[in-house]
Amino acid sequence: GQNIDQPTEMTATEGAIVQINCTYQTSGFNGLFWYQQHAGEAPTFLSYNVLDGLEEKGRFSSFLSRSKGYSYLLLKELQMKDSASYLCAVHTSGGYNKLIFGAGTRLAVHP
Amino acid sequence: GAGVSQSPSNKVTEKGKDVELRCDPISGHTALYWYRQRLGQGLEFLIYFQGNSAPDKSGLPSDRFSAERTGESVSTLTIQRTQQEDSAVYLCASSSPGRRGNEQFFGPGTRLTVL
Repeated sequence: GQNIDQPTEMTATEGAIVQINCTYQTSGFNGLFWYQQHAGEAPTFLSYNVLDGLEEKGRFSSFLSRSKGYSYLLLKELQMKDSASYLCAVHTSGGYNKLIFGAGTRLAVHP
Repeated sequence: GAGVSQSPSNKVTEKGKDVELRCDPISGHTALYWYRQRLGQGLEFLIYFQGNSAPDKSGLPSDRFSAERTGESVSTLTIQRTQQEDSAVYLCASSSPGRRGNEQFFGPGTRLTVL
């Protein structure tokens, strides 16, 4: 079956660092996406990991370990505007290359 | 257009009525997806189109749900005899094969409320 797990909620302080974990078990794997979704808005692309390792993009970094079925999104120098849901999605292989989404992690950043 | 558009943005209907939700994908994107997102939950896959055909309808929750796509462009999701459990945000996404692992671009969604 397909299973993607993320924590439901997290809180953090402005200026701090937070790590959002995602574990997955899927039938096939091409890569892993992270999307950000502000309340009432559409998800927007943050990162896409295919190979093991850390990819850094400004304040956001994403890590992947294919052997462990594990990824995390690292947010540095948190800002209030980072309060949002963060969705982990696996790009499955075979079939029709659809994305399987986790339930999302709601991050609340406090002053 | 610049992005994926959906209409209406909000729809309130009475239980038992039919509704149609529309999605205009990004021009040139051959793949189109419909998702459902209940309040506070993740995205639930409904159906995938490649061109005008729908090779994966596995997420449609019942035969009350159907979708079509014409001209490799606009798609319509139809829900017949709506139930209160159908209340959710319905999101459409499109993608261009080969681009960054099938990155999907999302529309703003249609918020459906069934009274």
